[in-house]
Amino acid sequence: NAGVMQNPRHLVRRRGQEARLRCSPMKGHSHVYWYRQLPEEGLKFMVYLQKENIIDESGMPKERFSAEFPKEGPSILRIQQVVRGDSAAYFCASSSVLAVRTDTQYFGPGTRLTVL
Amino acid sequence: QQQVKQSPQSLIVQKGGISIINCAYENTAFDYFPWYQQFPGKGPALLIAIRPDVSEKKEGRFTISFNKSAKQFSLHIMDSQPGDSATYFCAATPNDYKLSFGAGTTVTVRA
Repeated sequence: NAGVMQNPRHLVRRRGQEARLRCSPMKGHSHVYWYRQLPEEGLKFMVYLQKENIIDESGMPKERFSAEFPKEGPSILRIQQVVRGDSAAYFCASSSVLAVRTDTQYFGPGTRLTVL
Repeated sequence: QQQVKQSPQSLIVQKGGISIINCAYENTAFDYFPWYQQFPGKGPALLIAIRPDVSEKKEGRFTISFNKSAKQFSLHIMDSQPGDSATYFCAATPNDYKLSFGAGTTVTVRA
């Protein structure tokens, strides 16, 4: 059973370009979470999605960032017009049920975004 | 602002020694406290977790101590091994899914 998969693992973009990060949850998981890790900091919650629905996007910047989890295919985190401050590691996690207490969130290996 | 404060930022311990990592929080709504272990190039993996109705939980060489009144909790790694060298994150959540992470502690175990 493959774990959470993220691609690309490394992404380099110039300022003003768009970045698309993909996350395939573990088989059977319908809950997806995105976290961002800035250098020297812990992971920060961005958004929680279920298939075709954004449940909680309270951690997402109001502009330039969007996320989706379509009925078919991976979850996508999209960053438009990237700036240097977007450089970070972006982690996706998935779970089979909502409660962290009853089923851990399984993390992918992350996508390291570098904005030149 | 950082909802969970973690210290130290890094520590070095000899093989067989004890590693201790401390975390503190302010939000009294937090009611679940997991610890994650992260190796370079990998995502965090759940190591051990505790609820505030117990003061200690042990799994193998890893022990969480929890002090509800002080709003502090700590991870003890007994008999540290080189394979334990990793970054450790404490975390907390009030609502089942939104984890708040500490800044992380890089542990280096010297053989």
